[in-house]
Amino acid sequence: GENVEQHPSTLSVQEGDSAVIKCTYSDSASNYFPWYKQELGKRPQLIIDIRSNVGEKKDQRIAVTLNKTAKHFSLHITETQPEDSAVYFCAASKPGGSYIPTFGRGTSLIVHP
Amino acid sequence: DADVTQTPRNRITKTGKRIMLECSQTKGHDRMYWYRQDPGLGLRLIYYSFDVKDINKGEISDGYSVSRQAQAKFSLSLESAIPNQTALYFCATGSLSLEQFFGPGTRLTVL
Repeated sequence: GENVEQHPSTLSVQEGDSAVIKCTYSDSASNYFPWYKQELGKRPQLIIDIRSNVGEKKDQRIAVTLNKTAKHFSLHITETQPEDSAVYFCAASKPGGSYIPTFGRGTSLIVHP
Repeated sequence: DADVTQTPRNRITKTGKRIMLECSQTKGHDRMYWYRQDPGLGLRLIYYSFDVKDINKGEISDGYSVSRQAQAKFSLSLESAIPNQTALYFCATGSLSLEQFFGPGTRLTVL
């Protein structure tokens, strides 16, 4: 089955710095890669996703890049703010009617004011 | 607003007790999932269902069972709770765009 590795497990940055979280996956058939943000005591919520027919996608201060050859994808957050502090999860899934994502173990991002 | 809800939000029980966690959704999604979250281990899939007659085991289904009573309801049962089932449990639905919508979570403690 699919295996998703996520690094780092903890990331501490100063407000205004950039943050990068990286994930690798094992199944070359995977083609959908979402990122979820979970604030303390809250439920995970989708913040951005990418499909294998594109290499990069941006939404304001966040972007995701995908390298299918190397089987890795990354989340980039620019100009970090304290409200970006949360746990971020990546996931990977294969095409078809059965959508069963495999999640990474999460990255705890701490943005210091 | 269409939403995913879970009851109870917190539960403390004793070893050996049978408990049920309930999930309801008003999003109209056919796909529903139960996950378990433990610190440092991410979200691990327990069971999933793609319609009322469809039930599938996830990666960590041992010690758990589910029931899909209707499109909108998906319940998770622990037949005989044990302390290592202490965790945060999330129900989720899946849209056709593949986005998942999570419930608020149930914090379960097994003593």
